[in-house]
Amino acid sequence: SQQGEEDPQALSIQEGENATMNCSYKTSINNLQWYRQNSGRGLVHLILIRSNEREKHSGRLRVTLDTSKKSSSLLITASRAADTASYFCATDARAGGTSYGKLTFGQGTILTVHP
Amino acid sequence: EPEVTQTPSHQVTQMGQEVILRCVPISNHLYFYWYRQILGQKVEFLVSFYNNEISEKSEIFDDQFSVERPDGSNFTLKIRSTKLEDSAMYFCASSEWALGNQPQHFGDGTRLSIL
Repeated sequence: SQQGEEDPQALSIQEGENATMNCSYKTSINNLQWYRQNSGRGLVHLILIRSNEREKHSGRLRVTLDTSKKSSSLLITASRAADTASYFCATDARAGGTSYGKLTFGQGTILTVHP
Repeated sequence: EPEVTQTPSHQVTQMGQEVILRCVPISNHLYFYWYRQILGQKVEFLVSFYNNEISEKSEIFDDQFSVERPDGSNFTLKIRSTKLEDSAMYFCASSEWALGNQPQHFGDGTRLSIL
């Protein structure tokens, strides 16, 4: 798989349920970021986890990072219909120890939360 | 909350014509980026820009592309002679720093349609 691949590609759940999305990557990273995109809109930054962190929380979001497995997961708890969107992971990869902020995005997970 | 703004929201251009996409990054941000998203595909990095010069560019960013910060607020992407395959959503983003694990803030994009 390519850098920053999410699974599943699509996820459909009921309001109130939890949603888990996974991301795998191939190279060493400085950090991994999760973004959300509503249809026809720009990307909204959700959370950034650094390579030396294992877990991070922000409101109903929980992100984990396993650098040994080169994978990350995004958990949205108690989902709402308004969470319906596409979710992308993006990696900021080291290039000789220097990063200029180039993000490599995955294909994304389309999350649909039914009321 | 400060936002990245992009104009126009939709640009229709004849193949072979020059097009300029405009962005106003967040005012205290120092790093600027352009990404594109072809319909149904991943968001792809084009270029990063800092201190009035390109920091990094992808293989997509060939001689047909250029970026400029003509004044203290605008950041532009110019495509000199557009091709059909340039049709995509173009996103501008900015961050306070690139070194130091900063999130990137995205605009809502310009939809470029080449006829």
